[in-house]
Amino acid sequence: KNQVEQSPQSLIILEGKNCTLQCNYTVSPFSNLRWYKQDTGRGPVSLTIMTFSENTKSNGRYTATLDADTKQSSLHITASQLSDSASYICVVSDRGSTLGRLYFGRGTQLTVWP
Amino acid sequence: EADIYQTPRYLVIGTGKKITLECSQTMGHDKMYWYQQDPGMELHLIHYSYGVNSTEKGDLSSESTVSRIRTEHFPLTLESARPSHTSQYLCASSESGVLGEKLFFGSGTQLSVL
Repeated sequence: KNQVEQSPQSLIILEGKNCTLQCNYTVSPFSNLRWYKQDTGRGPVSLTIMTFSENTKSNGRYTATLDADTKQSSLHITASQLSDSASYICVVSDRGSTLGRLYFGRGTQLTVWP
Repeated sequence: EADIYQTPRYLVIGTGKKITLECSQTMGHDKMYWYQQDPGMELHLIHYSYGVNSTEKGDLSSESTVSRIRTEHFPLTLESARPSHTSQYLCASSESGVLGEKLFFGSGTQLSVL
């Protein structure tokens, strides 16, 4: 069964600290993996995309990694800010259809305290 | 500015009422989607469209219907709302590329059925 599991479910850190969010998937075949950030009361916004051939990609203070062999991805946030408080959702796409079916994780709720 | 809009943001109605959730996008995307999201849970696809006059049901069994008469407009209708329909409804459109689909989400409609 194609699944996307995220951990931890929730995380609280102090402003300025770093953190790492995890995403494990069993989706096969695999096309790409995206991380989305969803602020409270808003829709998700794409942060970064990882394809099969990519190991690491950065977007400002966000760095995503992908290990296609172990089917794991991580999102590392450096020097956290209050505005990083949000839910971070991992979404995996397969290659099984023209549309590229999407599988969503339940998200990690990150809270950054001052 | 290209964007995707949902109205209303919040809706509280009584059981048995007919409602329509509006979604419009100005990005010219052919593909549009409706997702249902409950707290702490993954997004579930309820309807999608490849383009004008094309609509398909998603993974989640839904008593709602959709229409796609214009590229920019993708409304969702509930003929008779029930308390079990209480949820957050997210509309999205997607941009296709060599890296797959990138979703652009609206801010959502929080529906409460009493």
